[in-house]
Amino acid sequence: GAVVSQHPSWVICKSGTSVKIECRSLDFQATTMFWYRQFPKQSLMLMATSNEGSKATYEQGVEKDKFLINHASLTLSTLTVTSAHPEDSSFYICSAPSGGAVYEQFFGPGTRLTVL
Amino acid sequence: LAKTTQPISMDSYEGQEVNITCSHNNIATNDYITWYQQFPSQGPRFIIQGYKTKVTNEVASLFIPADRKSSTLSLPRVSLSDTAVYYCLVGAIFSGGYNKLIFGAGTRLAVHP
Repeated sequence: GAVVSQHPSWVICKSGTSVKIECRSLDFQATTMFWYRQFPKQSLMLMATSNEGSKATYEQGVEKDKFLINHASLTLSTLTVTSAHPEDSSFYICSAPSGGAVYEQFFGPGTRLTVL
Repeated sequence: LAKTTQPISMDSYEGQEVNITCSHNNIATNDYITWYQQFPSQGPRFIIQGYKTKVTNEVASLFIPADRKSSTLSLPRVSLSDTAVYYCLVGAIFSGGYNKLIFGAGTRLAVHP
């Protein structure tokens, strides 16, 4: 199946700093990607839909000025957590749809963010 | 998007068949049923998808009754490596469309030796 990668796999930062997470579709093009956040022992929560060449669509309750999404190419979407705080510590996961006959989304391995 | 209800957790033993049932009473005509598997600290992985009756692939079977208000994921002869969280999702699929997935709570399956 298709492969989605994320970088970095984990990051530790100080409170108040910004962190950028990359999501890449390695062997297919993705005009749309999705960003999720997952807290320990909880389900995935959809944060936003990343659209290549246009603005991202954010889910209700997600601060668009805090979680900046840029989908600059057909294989790369980035999520920047600005002015991170300890409550932003979470597991961030991106996904991209296959576009095939069976609707399947390929998920990245996730990025563990810890804000001190 | 149709809301789904699954058991919070299940326990099984190696070699047994495991059936996880998902209720989706408000499923719409255009909705498909998809199951994902997630291991700790990893992204979810697609398992199987279906619309009606039965679908089988190399890892699982999906049973969907005629009214489509529920579905059952069947894992044959589970092993310790099948310990994971299993999510049932329901949503419309259309050609070229990129539907967002809304995850429910999922079922935490623990397989014991």
